[in-house]
Amino acid sequence: AQSVTQLDSHVSVSEGTPVLLRCNYSSSYSPSLFWYVQHPNKGLQLLLKYTSAATLVKGINGFEAEFKKSETSFHLTKPSAHMSDAAEYFCVVSEPGRRALTFGSGTRLQVQP
Amino acid sequence: GAGVSQSPSNKVTEKGKDVELRCDPISGHTALYWYRQRLGQGLEFLIYFQGNSAPDKSGLPSDRFSAERTGESVSTLTIQRTQQEDSAVYLCASSLTSGGAGEQFFGPGTRLTVL
Repeated sequence: AQSVTQLDSHVSVSEGTPVLLRCNYSSSYSPSLFWYVQHPNKGLQLLLKYTSAATLVKGINGFEAEFKKSETSFHLTKPSAHMSDAAEYFCVVSEPGRRALTFGSGTRLQVQP
Repeated sequence: GAGVSQSPSNKVTEKGKDVELRCDPISGHTALYWYRQRLGQGLEFLIYFQGNSAPDKSGLPSDRFSAERTGESVSTLTIQRTQQEDSAVYLCASSLTSGGAGEQFFGPGTRLTVL
């Protein structure tokens, strides 16, 4: 069975400082991993995805994530936070042959001026 | 181009009433998914449609929930005899292909409140 744990429900950073949102996964197979972002009153948007190619994945808006199989982690990072990054972020896993995505419980990112 | 659209955006209903939620997927997307998002939580998978294949209903929480899809277009999610625990945002997503690696495009959701 596949599962996702987002280690922080809330993260607060100052504008211009680095962002780290942590995610650990559990999967019996080689999973696909995603990060989605949800801005208030907007739909979910895909930030980036890992599908067994390069372990360091670059996404939109300067975000990137590194797949570490030995640690079963897929943490999301950004070197410098912007006010517009304030949103809810979801780490998501999908196994081969499974149609639905399994979502983590989300991390709310606050960016302070 | 147009994304996934859902209607209504908000629905308030009384306990015991039936509700119907609608999803218009992106044109050409063969796969369609319904998810439920309770307050402060991640998304729970409800049901999946792929072309003319039998839907995967494994995520439906009870027999009060059902969904239909007409070909590869509109889908409706019906909740009968609504309960307060059904209050949530219901999200629809579509993708070009089924399978784990395909990106799912999400609609804005329908916020359901059961009084």
